[in-house]
Amino acid sequence: DQQVKQNSPSLSVQEGRISILNCDYTNSMFDYFLWYKKYPAEGPTFLISISSIKDKNEDGRFTVFLNKSAKHLSLHIVPSQPGDSAVYFCAATPETGNQFYFGTGTSLTVIP
Amino acid sequence: NAGVTQTPKFRILKIGQSMTLQCTQDMNHNYMYWYRQDPGMGLKLIYYSVGAGITDKGEVPNGYNVSRSTTEDFPLRLELAAPSQTSVYFCATSSSSGSPLHFGNGTRLTVT
Repeated sequence: DQQVKQNSPSLSVQEGRISILNCDYTNSMFDYFLWYKKYPAEGPTFLISISSIKDKNEDGRFTVFLNKSAKHLSLHIVPSQPGDSAVYFCAATPETGNQFYFGTGTSLTVIP
Repeated sequence: NAGVTQTPKFRILKIGQSMTLQCTQDMNHNYMYWYRQDPGMGLKLIYYSVGAGITDKGEVPNGYNVSRSTTEDFPLRLELAAPSQTSVYFCATSSSSGSPLHFGNGTRLTVT
């Protein structure tokens, strides 16, 4: 049972434009959400996170939005750069848990 | 500054063989995790540890064993390899419950 879902396996965007990656979750106990970026033959690296008490968190070109009522979060990358081409995973965890639940990933390609 | 180191990078096993995937960290993190990633799937938690001497099952523990005798090391043992265990295995650490994970670069295991 996939509790965190990324329904778009891939996304292509022109350099300089906005990339929007989406993630949905089913477990209402999740209250901390993270995005990871993964290059081939490497482990995922942490990108940005958001707590359920917020609806937006920014870090440079990266912004994560959380809509708790819709159980939906999104990652915006503006402007997109070729180096952003990677697989992006969203993950979620409940406040009292030690387990992170990951989505299946979205492969982003930024076209120069 | 090595971070999280996994060995080996690649391994091919025959059905029924056993092996240990090694994971060592120099970040002095108490929390350590083993995940597996199957093609087109998200990362699934196998086992985790909140400190030396303490381990617990994740979502998919069957066919695996772990031990945590030191803070630095968290080996994953496969006793009777099966084709269903063909996957990429990632070790990760975190400084506390719910903190972002730091991943190693993975071990690609094929069981034939």
